[in-house]
Amino acid sequence: AQSVAQPEDQVNVAEGNPLTVKCTYSVSGNPYLFWYVQYPNRGLQFLLKYITGDNLVKGSYGFEAEFNKSQTSFHLKKPSALVSDSALYFCAGGSIKAAGNKLTFGGGTRVLVKP
Amino acid sequence: EPEVTQTPSHQVTQMGQEVILRCVPISNHLYFYWYRQILGQKVEFLVSFYNNEISEKSEIFDDQFSVERPDGSNFTLKIRSTKLEDSAMYFCASKGTSTDTQYFGPGTRLTVL
Repeated sequence: AQSVAQPEDQVNVAEGNPLTVKCTYSVSGNPYLFWYVQYPNRGLQFLLKYITGDNLVKGSYGFEAEFNKSQTSFHLKKPSALVSDSALYFCAGGSIKAAGNKLTFGGGTRVLVKP
Repeated sequence: EPEVTQTPSHQVTQMGQEVILRCVPISNHLYFYWYRQILGQKVEFLVSFYNNEISEKSEIFDDQFSVERPDGSNFTLKIRSTKLEDSAMYFCASKGTSTDTQYFGPGTRLTVL
């Protein structure tokens, strides 16, 4: 069975400081991994993904994530956080070979960026 | 930019009633999904649908649940006899054939009283 974990329920960071949101995964076979962001009363908005290729992937709004196979991690990063980055972030993963390509989600991490 | 839409945004129903949640996927997408998120819990996979049939379903998706693509644009989730524990946010997602990315709608909040 596949699983995704986000060890931090909340991350607090000052505006302008680097932001890291952690994610680890357990997926059989080759994983594909995603980050989604959820603003209040909104749906899940796609940020970035890793399928194959470069371990460092860049996404929307200045976010990037690094795939680390040996540590089974896919941490989300942003060099300089903005107050508007305050939201709920979800890591999700699946197996490339799985029929239906269902996603398994982590529990979410609430990011609070303080001015 | 194309997006997935869902109606209604909020549905309140009495226990035992049937509800139908509606989704309009992105127009050229062929893979469709339903997920749900009980308040304070993880987003959970319910079902995936491709080529007019279910590809995969979770243990949550029992006989009380069904999905349908009644026409070329809508994708629906029906719960035949709602229970209190069905109260959740239900997300629809769709995916094209040339991408691995699932795009999510804004969700329908279902409240069962």
